[in-house]
Amino acid sequence: TQLLEQSPQFLSIQEGENLTVYCNSSSVFSSLQWYRQEPGEGPVLLVTVVTGGEVKKLKRLTFQFGDARKDSSLHITAAQPGDTGLYLCAGAKVGGSRLTFGEGTQLTVNP
Amino acid sequence: GAVVSQHPSWVICKSGTSVKIECRSLDFQATTMFWYRQFPKQSLMLMATSNEGSKATYEQGVEKDKFLINHASLTLSTLTVTSAHPEDSSFYICSARDEGRGLYEQYFGPGTRLTVT
Repeated sequence: TQLLEQSPQFLSIQEGENLTVYCNSSSVFSSLQWYRQEPGEGPVLLVTVVTGGEVKKLKRLTFQFGDARKDSSLHITAAQPGDTGLYLCAGAKVGGSRLTFGEGTQLTVNP
Repeated sequence: GAVVSQHPSWVICKSGTSVKIECRSLDFQATTMFWYRQFPKQSLMLMATSNEGSKATYEQGVEKDKFLINHASLTLSTLTVTSAHPEDSSFYICSARDEGRGLYEQYFGPGTRLTVT
């Protein structure tokens, strides 16, 4: 059973479109991280959210942590080909240090 | 800041041999490092948690005698794949926690592509 359900798994869109990736769980997390990974490289940390209801913005990327700290979303505005990559959400449970990863969303932005 | 390196970036070895992969935190000390395995187009699968000065904690289903982990210093953890077989071919990624930055954030190395022939 996957602790973190990430959707969609694959997304192919045109440059300029908006998109949202969701990360859902029945468990409560003390924090949730979003990473972006390119082929043959390690994941790069984009953001960490720790407070229920928290919203963080990183240029065209908006991250939200659910009020109950069980879910999160990543919204990209006006996607660009450079946004192409594997987006991973990962949660740390209360009292733990290990991360549980979602299945990932492979995003392709076509020029 | 928070840079993690891995060496080698790729390695090809023959079946039955052993391969050592190094993971270093370059600008911070890490009492805890993590080793992951990733198959093509899939997410990361945690193999073990490496603890400085003590034994690693392995996830269920991961053979500790096959995947030897040593965390001898606050900046270095090593993963040795012993008696490698073709099914061990994968992308191995380490991460480290910079406890000075936050309890939960992990910073990842660039990964090591292992191919066993």
